[in-house]
Amino acid sequence: DAGVIQSPRHEVTEMGQEVTLRCKPISGHNSLFWYRQTMMRGLELLIYFNNNVPIDDSGMPEDRFSAKMPNASFSTLKIQPSEPRDSAVYFCASSAGTGGTGELFFGEGSRLTVL
Amino acid sequence: QQPVQSPQAVILREGEDAVINCSSSKALYSVHWYRQKHGEAPVFLMILLKGGEQKGHEKISASFNEKKQQSSLYLTASQLSYSGTYFCGTRGTYKYIFGTGTRLKVLA
Repeated sequence: DAGVIQSPRHEVTEMGQEVTLRCKPISGHNSLFWYRQTMMRGLELLIYFNNNVPIDDSGMPEDRFSAKMPNASFSTLKIQPSEPRDSAVYFCASSAGTGGTGELFFGEGSRLTVL
Repeated sequence: QQPVQSPQAVILREGEDAVINCSSSKALYSVHWYRQKHGEAPVFLMILLKGGEQKGHEKISASFNEKKQQSSLYLTASQLSYSGTYFCGTRGTYKYIFGTGTRLKVLA
């Protein structure tokens, strides 16, 4: 099994630019999560999808962040415009189950640096 | 609310034991434990679904006290490979929230 696939692995951009992070969950998993990790704030849940539907986006920092899941095999997290404080590692994770009973499988992460 | 883990960091010698605690201010329905090595993604260790449940994975085990809204991870006879940051993950209503993390370093 290929596991959760994220791209790009590294992204360096300038403030004000649009950033799009991509995620392919494990086939058959119906839950998808986007997390942001920084030293200061740890692992923060940004948004959670179940069966391609956004269930909870209360963790999305502000309107500059948006996420979509057009089908069961693809999700994007977009930041527009990007700011230096958005620099972090963004993880996508998927799970086969709802309600907290399935383990999370994480992608390798996308390290974003905004200059 | 993010679960609070203690201690924040711990240094061990190979063969020593350690306990990592996870405490939530909200009701817990399940508790997950993950380990993250530097520069890598978190990796699942175990899940506890019921209060009072205890599980083991190699020399790593965990307990879940639903009433106290707490879970503990026990590392026995630690090995160099145990080094990393440990996170508890908790489910509130339907989403996974991770604890503050505990950095563990095992020295030879």
